[in-house]
Amino acid sequence: DAGITQSPRHKVTETGTPVTLRCHQTENHRYMYWYRQDPGHGLRLIHYSYGVKDTDKGEVSDGYSVSRSKTEDFLLTLESATSSQTSVYFCAISGLAGELYEQYFGPGTRLTVT
Amino acid sequence: DAKTTQPNSMESNEEEPVHLPCNHSTISGTDYIHWYRQLPSQGPEYVIHGLTSNVNNRMASLAIAEDRKSSTLILHRATLRDAAVYYCILLNSNSGYALNFGKGTSLLVTP
Repeated sequence: DAGITQSPRHKVTETGTPVTLRCHQTENHRYMYWYRQDPGHGLRLIHYSYGVKDTDKGEVSDGYSVSRSKTEDFLLTLESATSSQTSVYFCAISGLAGELYEQYFGPGTRLTVT
Repeated sequence: DAKTTQPNSMESNEEEPVHLPCNHSTISGTDYIHWYRQLPSQGPEYVIHGLTSNVNNRMASLAIAEDRKSSTLILHRATLRDAAVYYCILLNSNSGYALNFGKGTSLLVTP
């Protein structure tokens, strides 16, 4: 199994509070991704990173920011959490990007915004 | 973007082969066919991918139709651990970095 951990695994927070989710990898992979999974929508890409300090937006990036100061860590921040951001968040990594390469997923973080 | 169509659910007996179909009639010549699965309460897991030729790995086989408008993921001997949602995904250089998971096929494996 790819060495990917996510923390926290579960979090309950109140509307309007900031929240940071952490993804940590031990594989030294260049690419890291944040997805969210909601019933009826499957997984949707929030942000991704193609190197240290190199990030870009995905399909559903509004309300989220990311940072990658080290190869092994990719942080997802909800500056002011809303109930619509209640979801399961998955981090993924890949050595290379594109149609030839697989992504490896972490165990997920279940976030509830009340 | 080319889309995929999969049955909502399928059922199989343990130790029997399972054939999971995927239709992608609008596939382009540069689209790769990827399969992932997601076990309950876990993150998705890569299974296999291919372009034109059939592919085999330790987990499964991928059979791709000659016209590439459909493909089939084959689990040679289903186990209870194979009960999961299986996603057929098309990727090409224009789809960027995102995996579009869609709704997939929920596979039930019975003893």
